Amino acid sequence: SDVLTQSPSVSVAPGETARIPCGTNKIGSHSVQWYQQRPGQAPVLVIYYNAARPSGIPERFSGSLSGDTAILTITRVEAGDEADYYCQVWDRSGDHRWVFGGGTKLTVL
Amino acid sequence: QVQVVQSGAEVKKPGASVKVSCRTSGYTFTGYYIHWVRQAPGQGLEWMGWISPHSGGTIYAQEFQGRVTMTRDTSITTAYMELSGLRSDDTAVYYCARDGCGGECFDHWGQGTLVTVSS
Repeated sequence: SDVLTQSPSVSVAPGETARIPCGTNKIGSHSVQWYQQRPGQAPVLVIYYNAARPSGIPERFSGSLSGDTAILTITRVEAGDEADYYCQVWDRSGDHRWVFGGGTKLTVL
Repeated sequence: QVQVVQSGAEVKKPGASVKVSCRTSGYTFTGYYIHWVRQAPGQGLEWMGWISPHSGGTIYAQEFQGRVTMTRDTSITTAYMELSGLRSDDTAVYYCARDGCGGECFDHWGQGTLVTVSS
């Protein structure tokens, strides 16, 4: 079964670029999704199919793959971007299950 | 527009059951799977299972097999998640979410339902 590994925290100054990695040994066989969760709120989909952006999500949010790692990149970071970010894949091997990474807390300094 | 609205908070005693509802609108209910995800206080997201509103078919995470039942009522475009044998570590916010990407993603989420298990 797959495990998604995320760093617990990332800190950036306003206006800088945040890169949030998500590692898995099967990244090439999965489509990776990313969710933003602000405190006390439900998660919001910000990236799907590795790099696609839902309507209403700013272009500052982008997704990419690098080897066995998916990366969520947020450019020109704003205070409102401070949140937890989760990666997610659909593991089709064996019993189908949907897996989340442990989450990364983005702190805007 | 798509809306997903869940039932209100619940307080249950250990050993009891809880049933959370997930009312949807703004799209064809039977055309999209519904997933259930929970989040314990201060913890990450945990996938619980999935129901096809069209067929009623389900897939449950192994961790919840035997304790969870997911159902739906197509006449009122509502999905349900019932969890039995509640324990204190089942205290969490429970979310339903629409699968909007053919199995890949959860594109619309309910607001969450806090279930507190306490004696």
